[in-house]
Amino acid sequence: NAGVTQTPKFQVLKTGQSMTLQCAQDMNHEYMSWYRQDPGMGLRLIHYSVGAGITDQGEVPNGYNVSRSTTEDFPLRLLSAAPSQTSVYFCASSYGEGGRSNEQFFGPGTRLTVL
Amino acid sequence: LAKTTQPISMDSYEGQEVNITCSHNNIATNDYITWYQQFPSQGPRFIIQGYKTKVTNEVASLFIPADRKSSTLSLPRVSLSDTAVYYCLVVPFSGGYNKLIFGAGTRLAVHP
Repeated sequence: NAGVTQTPKFQVLKTGQSMTLQCAQDMNHEYMSWYRQDPGMGLRLIHYSVGAGITDQGEVPNGYNVSRSTTEDFPLRLLSAAPSQTSVYFCASSYGEGGRSNEQFFGPGTRLTVL
Repeated sequence: LAKTTQPISMDSYEGQEVNITCSHNNIATNDYITWYQQFPSQGPRFIIQGYKTKVTNEVASLFIPADRKSSTLSLPRVSLSDTAVYYCLVVPFSGGYNKLIFGAGTRLAVHP
């Protein structure tokens, strides 16, 4: 199994540009989420999904959109990039939402710089 | 979900045992204590979870006292490769998927 994969690994955008960060998992997990991590800080939840067709906002959703058309894929779209969105983005998935089933499997991350 | 408090950083030397304590005073009856490890330029990875007393796996041990208001992650005989950030989280038995709090964690530096 490849686990959770993310593309691209690095990206540089200009202010106002849009792009999509890709995330895929091959573990048949129902739960997927996107986090951002700023330097020296923990992770903050952007959006999450509890199954195909179901998404909801996390702690910091502004400026981002998500959709979940399949169990495997959970892309994150930046609508109009801003320098404040410079960060490392992690996608994660889990089998369930409670106890040990909540174990999060993280992807390798996408390092995004917005100029 | 219960908020957790842990030291910002710790230093150790190769071969020593490292104990990282986490405080979670408001932990609920159905909450588990979970620890993640994050190496530089990687996503966090699960290392251990427990409810009470002691849990041990091939990587670490987790000690939880009877009142469950704190927990201690123990790393035996650390090596340079254990240099990482360690996060303590409180995870409910059910629900709360969108409420996991990865705080700043404890930055462990292991020296030769």
